[in-house]
Amino acid sequence: GIQVEQSPPDLILQEGANSTLRCNFSDSVNNLQWFHQNPWGQLINLFYIPSGTKQNGRLSATTVATERYSLLYISSSQTTDSGVYFCAVHFGNEKLTFGTGTRLTIIP
Amino acid sequence: EAQVTQNPRYLITVTGKKLTVTCSQNMNHEYMSWYRQDPGLGLRQIYYSMNVEVTDKGDVPEGYKVSRKEKRNFPLILESPSPNQTSLYFCASSLSSYSNQPQHFGDGTRLSIL
Repeated sequence: GIQVEQSPPDLILQEGANSTLRCNFSDSVNNLQWFHQNPWGQLINLFYIPSGTKQNGRLSATTVATERYSLLYISSSQTTDSGVYFCAVHFGNEKLTFGTGTRLTIIP
Repeated sequence: EAQVTQNPRYLITVTGKKLTVTCSQNMNHEYMSWYRQDPGLGLRQIYYSMNVEVTDKGDVPEGYKVSRKEKRNFPLILESPSPNQTSLYFCASSLSSYSNQPQHFGDGTRLSIL
């Protein structure tokens, strides 16, 4: 099956800082999603981005499918951005495979 | 509002007492699935359903049952829960398993089996 690796595993930043989270995957995909798991455990859908670049407020994401990676950018971090960020990929009729996540802690 | 609804959100129960976690989606999605999330193990798929009356095992199906009698509902059944099924459970749906469409997740159900 597809392997999904995320880096860094942990990131601690001061409020207002910018961050880049990376997701590498081992094979071609036709679905890539970024999620934020908040402290209450909810998985919040951030982006559906199998290729290209998307922006939503302070967050943006870029997927370079030919090079098998995706990046999530968070600008001007706020404490509410804390949590775990997952990327998940899917190809054909296979299940959605999740990465191991990046735990982001924003310090006031 | 398009959503996947799970109930209950939290449940503490005892070993052996049958329980059902309901999942309902209002997006007319064909594909639905259940995941469990455990520390250090990430999210693992339990069962999935590609359409009504079609279900199949995921990676960790032991101890669980599912049914898909209607398109919108996909309940997860624990016939005889055990402590190793204590976990955070998520239901998800998408247009179809082959589609280039995102999967939508419910808010999660935190189960504690004592």
